[in-house]
Amino acid sequence: DAKTTQPPSMDCAEGRAANLPCNHSTISGNEYVYWYRQIHSQGPQYIIHGLKNNETNEMASLIITEDRKSSTLILPHATLRDTAVYYCIVRVLVTGANNLFFGTGTRLTVIP
Amino acid sequence: KAGVTQTPRYLIKTRGQQVTLSCSPISGHRSVSWYQQTPGQGLQFLFEYFSETQRNKGNFPGRFSGRQFSNSRSEMNVSTLELGDSALYLCASSLGSPVGPGSEAFFGQGTRLTVV
Repeated sequence: DAKTTQPPSMDCAEGRAANLPCNHSTISGNEYVYWYRQIHSQGPQYIIHGLKNNETNEMASLIITEDRKSSTLILPHATLRDTAVYYCIVRVLVTGANNLFFGTGTRLTVIP
Repeated sequence: KAGVTQTPRYLIKTRGQQVTLSCSPISGHRSVSWYQQTPGQGLQFLFEYFSETQRNKGNFPGRFSGRQFSNSRSEMNVSTLELGDSALYLCASSLGSPVGPGSEAFFGQGTRLTVV
């Protein structure tokens, strides 16, 4: 079962930063936070993941609170192509098992 | 390098029939997982195969089955199709070994199955 809570929808002006929150208050010490997005009718796309430190890559930044009960995905300069459903997932990486439990995600709409 | 390839992209079947979907993972990836996406239930995990063995299974009836071949390609089969099986079926591949961070899953474009 999904262990995360996300707002159902958000809007963001093109060129501005999009901040997508995620609550994972029951996260365990060995669980990572992963973010994926799904553009309409395509397969989900990996964005970023982290354990407890903030992470940044070419797509986004991930800020995880010190108690690890919540996180925020930041798209620094949103474009129209970033319109998608964003999923926050927690998963254990002990075995490398590839079984992801998706919640309902946040539908981000980037407005021109 | 080539991504995850799923075939066919679209399929129409009649209730009661059976269907087989195919997934070719990224070269070098040994784990293949299958997901079902419907408007009502969202994205749900079906099962995962690693080195030709089912490693994890979601909460789906036995009509849903899969297998993995020695080249890591995978197939999933749905028997006795029901109208509710209409969905987008997604396949994801990953390295699958306990390498820690970095085992992100890469998804294919999916197979859109319509049961009439």
